[in-house]
Amino acid sequence: ELKVEQNPLFLSMQEGKNYTIYCNYSTTSDRLYWYRQDPGKSLESLFVLLSNGAVKQEGRLMASLDTKARLSTLHITAAVHDLSATYFCAVDMYSGYALNFGKGTSLLVTP
Amino acid sequence: DTGVSQDPRHKITKRGQNVTFRCDPISEHNRLYWYRQTLGQGPEFLTYFQNEAQLEKSRLLSDRFSAERPKGSFSTLEIQRTEQGDSAMYLCASRSLRGSGNTIYFGEGSWLTVV
Repeated sequence: ELKVEQNPLFLSMQEGKNYTIYCNYSTTSDRLYWYRQDPGKSLESLFVLLSNGAVKQEGRLMASLDTKARLSTLHITAAVHDLSATYFCAVDMYSGYALNFGKGTSLLVTP
Repeated sequence: DTGVSQDPRHKITKRGQNVTFRCDPISEHNRLYWYRQTLGQGPEFLTYFQNEAQLEKSRLLSDRFSAERPKGSFSTLEIQRTEQGDSAMYLCASRSLRGSGNTIYFGEGSWLTVV
C-alpha cells in the first residue's frame, strides 16, 4: 500500500524566514503533486513534478523531486502571511489512477 | 474555462436519509474523481471515471455509496441511509487526457453534515 508522509504536520514561522516541508512516499511513483488548501476551501494546484530531479518555482515556493529517495520538498523563501494555509503533497501511483495524499502541513506565518 | 463545479455546496441531513451530490467537470475532461475529506486529514480517494466508465472504487466506498457518470459529462455521488460518519467534504476533481494532462483540478467541494 502506498503511504505518503509529510513533515512537519504543523509549522509556525516568522515572516521573512525560510523553511522546507518534506514529503516521503513508500513506492515507485509516476508523479508528485503539491496543493494548497485554505480553511474551508478546495485544493489549489501548485506544482506537478514529473521526473527525477524536477524543480519548479512559483514566487516564494519551490518544489523538487528525488524519485530515487522517494522524496519531494517544498521550500518556502522569505515567508509572508499570505502563505498561511495547509499544503498537501500527493502521489499518483499509476498514470491517471488516483492521488494518494499526505496528511498535510498546516503552515502559519506570523509577523 | 469555468472550472469544476459542485452542487450543493452544503447539505445538512438527518441520519438515515439519502443525499446526492452533483459534479460538473471542466469541459472535455475525460477523467473525473471523487474524494472525501474530513477535518484535519488529506483527501481520500473514493472512485474515478474515464468518460462514462467507472474504472476504480476504493474500499472506502461502501455499498451505501454509488456514483454514476451516465453520459461521460457530469457525475453524481449518492449516499444512501446516511450515517454520522459520512459527515465530510466531498470533493470532485477532473483532468484531461489530452496533451500532458498532468494537472488535476478540484471543485469547491460539497460539505455534508449528518445529524
